Amino acid sequence: DAKTTQPTSMDCAEGRAANLPCNHSTISGNEYVYWYRQIHSQGPQYIIHGLKNNETNEMASLIITEDRKSSTLILPHATLRDTAVYYCIVRVALAYSGAGSYQLTFGKGTKLSVIP
Amino acid sequence: KAGVTQTPRYLIKTRGQQVTLSCSPISGHRSVSWYQQTPGQGLQFLFEYFSETQRNKGNFPGRFSGRQFSNSRSEMNVSTLELGDSALYLCASSEGTSGSEQYFGPGTRLTVT
Repeated sequence: DAKTTQPTSMDCAEGRAANLPCNHSTISGNEYVYWYRQIHSQGPQYIIHGLKNNETNEMASLIITEDRKSSTLILPHATLRDTAVYYCIVRVALAYSGAGSYQLTFGKGTKLSVIP
Repeated sequence: KAGVTQTPRYLIKTRGQQVTLSCSPISGHRSVSWYQQTPGQGLQFLFEYFSETQRNKGNFPGRFSGRQFSNSRSEMNVSTLELGDSALYLCASSEGTSGSEQYFGPGTRLTVT
């Protein structure tokens, strides 16, 4: 799987948009970009994923550049509960017996601190 | 739908013992993956089971094993525990198809003394 590069930490004021960048310059055409977050000592929480197009759900938006070498996760109105480590993961879907087999390779992520 | 459940949530074992951890996936999910999280190594993939078959394995010694039952519930076993096995063990369930997301449980905190 392609490697990702994320800033170690970021701060964001409460109520403002949090924009978390991720570089994945070696991404392949069949690799998805996934975002997870982990609040201290809890299991990682799925946020959003995409292949080529920008994606939006009730939690966040994912903007993928046209060359797919980088992406940005946007939390539109950050709250204190969004303080967490955010992981950007690039994952290849392996065809196996007609279904997808894969593993998530977690890096160190970005520690986002939302400031009151 | 109920989320992923893991039991027990906390466990203390002595070096040399063995331990079995349990994971119940989201209803309808056929894939269960296991991860180990430590402060030094971060989150590392152990193995994945789909329809009772292990179809992907990480780089862990043979002391770490698992299985999946016909109802998709999975167990993970660690034999001859070492101090370094102290970690948060997480399981994640998914539909197991290409592009599907994994949903994580709360984890089992294992402490080896």
